[in-house]
Amino acid sequence: GQSLEQPSEVTAVEGAIVQINCTYQTSGFYGLSWYQQHDGGAPTFLSYNALDGLEETGRFSSFLSRSDSYGYLLLQELQMKDSASYFCAVRDPQGGKLIFGQGTELSVKP
Amino acid sequence: DVKVTQSSRYLVKRTGEKVFLECVQDMDHENMFWYRQDPGLGLRLIYFSYDVKMKEKGDIPEGYSVSREKKERFSLILESASTNQTSMYLCASRLSLGQNTEAFFGQGTRLTVV
Repeated sequence: GQSLEQPSEVTAVEGAIVQINCTYQTSGFYGLSWYQQHDGGAPTFLSYNALDGLEETGRFSSFLSRSDSYGYLLLQELQMKDSASYFCAVRDPQGGKLIFGQGTELSVKP
Repeated sequence: DVKVTQSSRYLVKRTGEKVFLECVQDMDHENMFWYRQDPGLGLRLIYFSYDVKMKEKGDIPEGYSVSREKKERFSLILESASTNQTSMYLCASRLSLGQNTEAFFGQGTRLTVV
């Protein structure tokens, strides 16, 4: 089976940098995805890492280390609108199931 | 833009009722999913369909069934609703080909069973 672990909540101040970690246990691995969900909204895709290293998209970056079964989402120059829940996800290698972590609630304070 | 539409945003049903949650996507995606979201528990997979009439159980299928008669529509059925099925239900779809295909979610149905 697959399992993912993330911190339940993180707090940071506006303008700061925050890192949200995700460790996973899978029987196979097809990459790690990240999704953002604002309160009352639908989850939306942020990024995907299939290979080791850092992927940068504007203020957001995502990192993967396959040997450590570990990844993180890095948010820079935090803004109030970044307050949301962030989920890491993996695809089941034996089918198309998409399995999510429990989510990290990020609170950005002024 | 991909659109995933769930039939109701809010629903209130009585214990024992049969409940249908409908989801429609307009991008010809093969894969469709039903998740349940509860505080502190994240997104838990109820059922997954990889093609028309094909389905697989997720992590929490008990008390639920699904139907996928057409590619664009995936229905979640609560045969006899119970209060512990009060939750937010999220439908999603994605292309099956390729590893890096994102899932697109509907806005969710908040179901209350009384």
